[in-house]
Amino acid sequence: EAGVVQSPRYKIIEKKQPVAFWCNPISGHNTLYWYLQNLGQGPELLIRYENEEAVDDSQLPKDRFSAERLKGVDSTLKIQPAELGDSAVYLCASSLGAGGPEEQQFFGPGTRLTVL
Amino acid sequence: AQSVTQLDSQVPVFEEAPVELRCNYSSSVSVYLFWYVQYPNQGLQLLLKYLSGSTLVKGINGFEAEFNKSQTSFHLRKPSVHISDTAEYFCAVSFNTNAGKSTFGDGTTLTVKP
Repeated sequence: EAGVVQSPRYKIIEKKQPVAFWCNPISGHNTLYWYLQNLGQGPELLIRYENEEAVDDSQLPKDRFSAERLKGVDSTLKIQPAELGDSAVYLCASSLGAGGPEEQQFFGPGTRLTVL
Repeated sequence: AQSVTQLDSQVPVFEEAPVELRCNYSSSVSVYLFWYVQYPNQGLQLLLKYLSGSTLVKGINGFEAEFNKSQTSFHLRKPSVHISDTAEYFCAVSFNTNAGKSTFGDGTTLTVKP
Protein backbone atom coordinates (compact mmCIF):
# COMPACT_ATOMS: atom_id res chain seq x y z
CA GLU A 1 0.00 0.00 0.00
CA ALA A 2 1.41 3.38 -0.98
CA GLY A 3 1.98 5.88 1.77
CA VAL A 4 1.26 9.58 1.82
CA VAL A 5 2.81 11.20 -1.23
CA GLN A 6 4.03 14.78 -1.27
CA SER A 7 5.59 16.87 -4.00
CA PRO A 8 7.86 18.54 -4.52
CA ARG A 9 10.29 17.25 -1.91
CA TYR A 10 12.34 20.44 -2.05
CA LYS A 11 11.54 23.94 -3.20
CA ILE A 12 13.69 27.07 -3.28
CA ILE A 13 12.05 30.38 -4.11
CA GLU A 14 12.66 34.05 -3.65
CA LYS A 15 10.59 36.02 -1.18
CA LYS A 16 7.32 37.43 -2.45
CA GLN A 17 6.96 34.57 -4.94
CA PRO A 18 4.05 32.13 -4.74
CA VAL A 19 4.55 28.45 -4.00
CA ALA A 20 2.30 25.40 -3.87
CA PHE A 21 2.64 22.00 -2.27
CA TRP A 22 0.69 18.90 -3.22
CA CYS A 23 -0.34 15.94 -1.09
CA ASN A 24 -2.00 12.65 -1.95
CA PRO A 25 -3.14 10.78 1.18
CA ILE A 26 -3.39 7.05 1.66
CA SER A 27 -6.27 5.65 -0.34
CA GLY A 28 -9.48 5.59 1.68
CA HIS A 29 -8.28 7.98 4.35
CA ASN A 30 -10.96 10.55 5.08
CA THR A 31 -8.96 13.02 7.13
CA LEU A 32 -6.03 15.03 5.84
CA TYR A 33 -3.72 17.29 7.82
CA TRP A 34 -1.17 19.91 6.87
CA TYR A 35 1.57 20.63 9.40
CA LEU A 36 4.38 23.16 9.57
CA GLN A 37 7.66 21.96 11.06
CA ASN A 38 10.26 24.57 11.84
CA LEU A 39 13.85 23.53 12.34
CA GLY A 40 14.36 21.97 15.76
CA GLN A 41 10.67 21.91 16.57
CA GLY A 42 7.77 19.53 16.39
CA PRO A 43 5.03 19.75 13.78
CA GLU A 44 2.30 22.33 14.26
CA LEU A 45 -1.11 21.84 12.71
CA LEU A 46 -2.07 24.31 10.00
CA ILE A 47 -5.32 22.80 8.77
CA ARG A 48 -7.34 19.61 9.05
CA TYR A 49 -9.82 18.32 6.48
CA GLU A 50 -12.57 15.78 6.95
CA ASN A 51 -13.25 14.75 3.37
CA GLU A 52 -13.45 18.07 1.51
CA GLU A 53 -14.42 20.18 4.52
CA ALA A 54 -11.83 22.18 6.44
CA VAL A 55 -12.86 21.47 10.03
CA ASP A 56 -9.94 23.16 11.77
CA ASP A 57 -8.05 25.99 10.09
CA SER A 58 -7.59 28.12 13.17
CA GLN A 59 -3.78 28.05 12.88
CA LEU A 60 -3.62 28.80 9.16
CA PRO A 61 -2.36 32.35 8.42
CA LYS A 62 -5.14 33.20 6.05
CA ASP A 63 -3.61 36.40 4.78
CA ARG A 64 -1.05 34.46 2.76
CA PHE A 65 -1.84 30.76 3.12
CA SER A 66 -4.65 28.88 1.45
CA ALA A 67 -5.51 25.22 1.05
CA GLU A 68 -8.01 23.13 -0.81
CA ARG A 69 -9.17 19.55 -1.01
CA LEU A 70 -11.76 19.80 -3.72
CA LYS A 71 -12.76 16.16 -4.23
CA GLY A 72 -11.93 14.97 -0.76
CA VAL A 73 -8.80 13.16 -1.92
CA ASP A 74 -5.62 15.06 -2.72
CA SER A 75 -4.88 18.51 -1.39
CA THR A 76 -2.89 21.61 -2.25
CA LEU A 77 -1.38 24.11 0.17
CA LYS A 78 -0.41 27.49 -1.24
CA ILE A 79 1.57 30.44 0.04
CA GLN A 80 1.30 33.78 -1.71
CA PRO A 81 3.46 35.74 -1.25
CA ALA A 82 6.15 33.76 0.54
CA GLU A 83 8.19 35.41 3.27
CA LEU A 84 11.62 34.52 4.64
CA GLY A 85 10.03 33.15 7.81
CA ASP A 86 8.08 30.58 5.81
CA SER A 87 11.21 28.51 5.33
CA ALA A 88 10.34 25.19 6.96
CA VAL A 89 9.20 21.67 6.23
CA TYR A 90 5.55 21.27 5.31
CA LEU A 91 4.19 17.89 6.30
CA CYS A 92 1.03 16.24 5.10
CA ALA A 93 -0.62 13.44 7.06
CA SER A 94 -3.78 11.40 6.74
CA SER A 95 -5.91 9.21 8.95
CA LEU A 96 -8.59 6.67 8.23
CA GLY A 97 -11.52 7.93 10.25
CA ALA A 98 -13.04 11.26 11.09
CA GLY A 99 -9.92 12.63 12.71
CA GLY A 100 -10.63 11.73 16.30
CA PRO A 101 -7.96 12.42 18.93
CA GLU A 102 -7.14 8.72 19.23
CA GLU A 103 -6.46 8.15 15.56
CA GLN A 104 -3.06 7.29 14.18
CA GLN A 105 -1.83 9.74 11.60
CA PHE A 106 0.34 8.63 8.70
CA PHE A 107 2.84 11.20 7.55
CA GLY A 108 4.36 11.96 4.19
CA PRO A 109 8.07 12.81 3.74
CA GLY A 110 7.40 16.53 3.67
CA THR A 111 8.33 19.43 1.40
CA ARG A 112 11.33 21.44 2.50
CA LEU A 113 10.80 25.08 1.53
CA THR A 114 13.63 27.57 1.43
CA VAL A 115 12.75 31.21 0.88
CA LEU A 116 15.66 33.42 -0.17
CA ALA B 1 -2.88 25.55 28.79
CA GLN B 2 -2.19 22.11 27.41
CA SER B 3 1.43 21.43 26.48
CA VAL B 4 4.03 18.77 25.81
CA THR B 5 7.60 18.95 27.04
CA GLN B 6 10.40 16.71 25.90
CA LEU B 7 12.97 17.16 28.60
CA ASP B 8 16.08 16.36 26.58
CA SER B 9 16.84 17.93 23.24
CA GLN B 10 19.74 15.57 22.57
CA VAL B 11 20.57 12.15 23.96
CA PRO B 12 23.87 10.52 22.97
CA VAL B 13 24.32 6.87 23.89
CA PHE B 14 26.61 4.03 22.96
CA GLU B 15 25.39 1.08 20.97
CA GLU B 16 23.74 -1.68 23.05
CA ALA B 17 23.19 0.68 25.98
CA PRO B 18 19.69 1.32 27.36
CA VAL B 19 18.01 4.62 26.64
CA GLU B 20 15.09 6.63 28.01
CA LEU B 21 13.59 9.63 26.25
CA ARG B 22 11.44 11.71 28.54
CA CYS B 23 8.09 13.29 27.81
CA ASN B 24 5.83 15.20 30.14
CA TYR B 25 2.49 16.82 29.38
CA SER B 26 0.11 19.13 31.11
CA SER B 27 -3.61 18.57 30.85
CA SER B 28 -6.70 18.59 32.99
CA VAL B 29 -8.54 16.20 30.70
CA SER B 30 -8.02 12.69 29.41
CA VAL B 31 -5.24 12.28 26.90
CA TYR B 32 -4.04 9.98 24.18
CA LEU B 33 -0.28 9.68 23.85
CA PHE B 34 1.97 8.89 20.93
CA TRP B 35 5.65 8.52 20.15
CA TYR B 36 6.84 9.08 16.59
CA VAL B 37 10.28 8.62 15.03
CA GLN B 38 11.61 10.74 12.18
CA TYR B 39 14.61 9.62 10.19
CA PRO B 40 16.50 12.23 8.12
CA ASN B 41 14.49 13.54 5.20
CA GLN B 42 11.54 11.34 6.02
CA GLY B 43 8.11 11.83 7.54
CA LEU B 44 7.11 10.83 11.04
CA GLN B 45 6.47 7.16 11.70
CA LEU B 46 4.42 5.92 14.64
CA LEU B 47 6.39 3.94 17.22
CA LEU B 48 3.62 3.33 19.73
CA LYS B 49 0.52 4.84 21.27
CA TYR B 50 -1.42 4.80 24.49
CA LEU B 51 -5.18 5.09 24.24
CA SER B 52 -6.39 3.24 27.32
CA GLY B 53 -5.85 0.07 29.33
CA SER B 54 -2.41 -1.18 30.30
CA THR B 55 -0.07 1.66 31.08
CA LEU B 56 2.91 -0.18 29.58
CA VAL B 57 2.78 0.03 25.82
CA LYS B 58 5.02 -1.91 23.47
CA GLY B 59 5.80 -0.62 20.02
CA ILE B 60 7.89 -1.36 16.99
CA ASN B 61 11.66 -1.77 16.89
CA GLY B 62 11.83 -2.92 20.53
CA PHE B 63 10.61 0.36 22.02
CA GLU B 64 8.19 0.62 24.90
CA ALA B 65 6.67 3.45 26.92
CA GLU B 66 4.89 3.77 30.21
CA PHE B 67 2.00 6.09 30.88
CA ASN B 68 2.14 7.57 34.37
CA LYS B 69 -0.96 9.58 35.06
CA SER B 70 0.13 10.89 38.45
CA GLN B 71 3.37 12.22 37.01
CA THR B 72 1.78 13.16 33.67
CA SER B 73 4.60 11.43 31.85
CA PHE B 74 5.02 9.06 28.92
CA HIS B 75 8.69 8.16 28.76
CA LEU B 76 10.06 6.07 25.91
CA ARG B 77 12.54 3.30 26.61
CA LYS B 78 14.62 0.72 24.82
CA PRO B 79 16.83 -1.76 26.67
CA SER B 80 19.52 -1.97 23.99
CA VAL B 81 19.87 0.53 21.15
CA HIS B 82 21.35 0.06 17.70
CA ILE B 83 23.11 2.46 15.37
CA SER B 84 19.97 2.42 13.23
CA ASP B 85 17.95 3.96 16.08
CA THR B 86 19.70 7.28 15.47
CA ALA B 87 16.85 9.64 14.63
CA GLU B 88 14.58 12.38 15.96
CA TYR B 89 11.86 11.25 18.35
CA PHE B 90 8.66 13.18 18.96
CA CYS B 91 6.16 12.80 21.75
CA ALA B 92 2.62 13.84 20.86
CA VAL B 93 -0.53 14.28 22.89
CA SER B 94 -4.13 14.48 21.81
CA PHE B 95 -6.67 15.78 24.26
CA ASN B 96 -10.13 14.36 24.10
CA THR B 97 -11.62 17.82 23.98
CA ASN B 98 -9.58 18.72 20.91
CA ALA B 99 -10.62 16.33 18.21
CA GLY B 100 -7.92 15.52 15.69
CA LYS B 101 -5.43 18.02 17.03
CA SER B 102 -2.18 16.52 18.28
CA THR B 103 0.29 18.70 20.13
CA PHE B 104 3.89 17.69 19.50
CA GLY B 105 6.94 18.19 21.64
CA ASP B 106 10.02 19.79 20.15
CA GLY B 107 11.72 16.45 19.68
CA THR B 108 14.71 14.59 21.09
CA THR B 109 17.66 13.74 18.89
CA LEU B 110 18.92 10.29 19.74
CA THR B 111 22.46 9.65 18.55
CA VAL B 112 23.77 6.11 18.93
CA LYS B 113 27.53 5.86 18.83
CA PRO B 114 29.54 2.73 18.06
